[in-house]
Amino acid sequence: EAQVTQNPRYLITVTGKKLTVTCSQNMNHEYMSWYRQDPGLGLRQIYYSMNVEVTDKGDVPEGYKVSRKEKRNFPLILESPSPNQTSLYFCASSLNSLTNEKLFFGSGTQLSVL
Amino acid sequence: GENVEQHPSTLSVQEGDSAVIKCTYSDSASNYFPWYKQELGKGPQLIIDIRSNVGEKKDQRIAVTLNKTAKHFSLHITETQPEDSAVYFCAAKTDRGSTLGRLYFGRGTQLTVWP
Repeated sequence: EAQVTQNPRYLITVTGKKLTVTCSQNMNHEYMSWYRQDPGLGLRQIYYSMNVEVTDKGDVPEGYKVSRKEKRNFPLILESPSPNQTSLYFCASSLNSLTNEKLFFGSGTQLSVL
Repeated sequence: GENVEQHPSTLSVQEGDSAVIKCTYSDSASNYFPWYKQELGKGPQLIIDIRSNVGEKKDQRIAVTLNKTAKHFSLHITETQPEDSAVYFCAAKTDRGSTLGRLYFGRGTQLTVWP
C-alpha cells in the first residue's frame, strides 16, 4: 500500500532532550516536506527536499534540522526542543513538486515539549 | 513568498445545504490550486485541484472555481452530508524564482455539517 509513515504517533519529552521524528515513503517520490499544524495557523512548512541531498528551509525552520540521505527517508531532528515546538507535525511527499504536485501526508506526530 | 488567505475559519451548515469556502492569493505567478480535507486524527488528503488555465472543475458534489484576475478561488460543496465535516485547507503553488514548486496553505476552515 502506497503510504507515508511517520513515527512516533505521540511523543512527550522535556526541554533540551534531542529527538528525531522519522518519515518514510514507499512511492519513490522525489519531493518530501515537513509541516507543523497549530490552532489558527494552519499548515506551516518547516523544511522541504526536492530530491536526495537537496534540502531547503520553509517558513518556520528555526530549531529544526533535516537530512535526505536516501530517497525514501526524511527525518526531522529537534536538537534542543523547547515548549514552543509543541505541535502536530506532518510529513508529506509528492512525485515531483513541479509537475505532479499531489501531496501524500502521513498520519501526524503529536509532540509535547514540557 | 505567496500569501494565501482563507475564509471563513469556521462554517456550520445543515445537512443537505451547500457550503462555500473562499481563498485569495497574492502571487500572480501561482498556477496550481489544490484543496485538502483533514478528518479528525488524520493527515490532510487531496480532494480536488485546479490549474490556472481552467476556470472551474467539478467532481460529483464538490467543485472549485478560479478567478485569476481577482486572484481568488473557492470550494463549493453541494448536498452536504455529516461525513463532509472536517477541516479544509486551500493552497497555492508558485513557480516564481526561489519559491519554485513550493505550496502555500491557507489557515483552514472547520466545516461542521449538522444532521
